[in-house]
Amino acid sequence: EPEVTQTPSHQVTQMGQEVILRCVPISNHLYFYWYRQILGQKVEFLVSFYNNEISEKSEIFDDQFSVERPDGSNFTLKIRSTKLEDSAMYFCASSEEFSGANVLTFGAGSRLTVL
Amino acid sequence: GENVEQHPSTLSVQEGDSAVIKCTYSDSASNYFPWYKQELGKRPQLIIDIRSNVGEKKDQRIAVTLNKTAKHFSLHITETQPEDSAVYFCAASGMYNNNDMRFGAGTRLTVKP
Repeated sequence: EPEVTQTPSHQVTQMGQEVILRCVPISNHLYFYWYRQILGQKVEFLVSFYNNEISEKSEIFDDQFSVERPDGSNFTLKIRSTKLEDSAMYFCASSEEFSGANVLTFGAGSRLTVL
Repeated sequence: GENVEQHPSTLSVQEGDSAVIKCTYSDSASNYFPWYKQELGKRPQLIIDIRSNVGEKKDQRIAVTLNKTAKHFSLHITETQPEDSAVYFCAASGMYNNNDMRFGAGTRLTVKP
């Protein structure tokens, strides 16, 4: 079964450092997403990406965040200057081109710990 | 934007009993309602979904009902087993605004043997 893969599984960084989280969506999917889940809380939408540009972003996705699809397979989330409150699990997800419903497949997540 | 409310936040049942989790949504344009199961430390996994053109869908011990008029939908798990213990999230998204999916706050289900 096709999977969304994410690296690293866990990253520890110092406050103020830049972090890049990587994702390889399912190969025939065209919509890509990043979600965040702070420990014990709900899954929160960050950003969606389609056709090499951001489709929609939430209020969480401020100027410290950026996404990129540098090649045909990777989809990255960059946090420019991490804050303590950025500590969370970050899930990448992808879906096929819209055909009536937004069926998301999630990756296993990247746990970010900011010290 | 869409706002999804989920209740209860925790639910404890005896093995074999049924469990019901309820969600409401605010955006009448939403028409796709998935349910995700998240085991501790793992990714959310889709367990069942429903589209607005049906009122009920069933898959073995799991069923979901949708009331579009009242803007609420529910997950029903019958004959619960200890392995059903997890956090369950409901979500909603729209057909013409499918770029973001809003999740409920989650329900921690514990099935006691």
